[in-house]
Amino acid sequence: SQTIHQWPATLVQPVGSPLSLECTVEGTSNPNLYWYRQAAGRGLQLLFYSVGIGQISSEVPQNLSASRPQDRQFILSSKKLLLSDSGFYLCAWSVGNEQYFGPGTRLTVT
Amino acid sequence: QKEVEQNSGPLSVPEGAIASLNCTYSDRGSQSFFWYRQYSGKSPELIMSIYSNGDKEDGRFTAQLNKASQYVSLLIRDSQPSDSATYLCAVNLPNTGGFKTIFGAGTRLFVKA
Repeated sequence: SQTIHQWPATLVQPVGSPLSLECTVEGTSNPNLYWYRQAAGRGLQLLFYSVGIGQISSEVPQNLSASRPQDRQFILSSKKLLLSDSGFYLCAWSVGNEQYFGPGTRLTVT
Repeated sequence: QKEVEQNSGPLSVPEGAIASLNCTYSDRGSQSFFWYRQYSGKSPELIMSIYSNGDKEDGRFTAQLNKASQYVSLLIRDSQPSDSATYLCAVNLPNTGGFKTIFGAGTRLFVKA
């Protein structure tokens, strides 16, 4: 069966610091991968999606970037965090229409 | 702007009752629809997907789709306190290969024991 991992689970970072969140998927090949952000009381906002290694589509222009160095690895990065980057970051995978989410990383920027 | 609208709630029902959650979407060409359950502090969990008009049943859950009215609903029969969560409606945008999914902000459900 498929499993998706995200780490870290929680993170507190100062404004202006860098960020790296990692997501890995097990049990499937060539999945579509996604990064979402969920602000408190809000819906999920799609940030990036990837259909293959090195292929990244950005949905929202901002100070975040994503990379997919391996088939089942997806990384979300920032060079300088803003207060507005706080939120619940979710990685998801799909093969077909249905998306399945990882456990998420709760990021607080102080 | 493509939108998915849900009543934020909270929707409060007694244990054993039917909970009815509703969702409307703006893009008439959408073909794929999903319901996710999200417990407080946790990630969303896919509970139902529906692609055709009508009803789809899975255990205590029934998803209903009416594309003409651009309306999706989720019925939970014999509601249990463990069903207390936020339910997210999600819709795939057409002509995006299934990559772009719009999520509603969710309806909070509270099942009273």
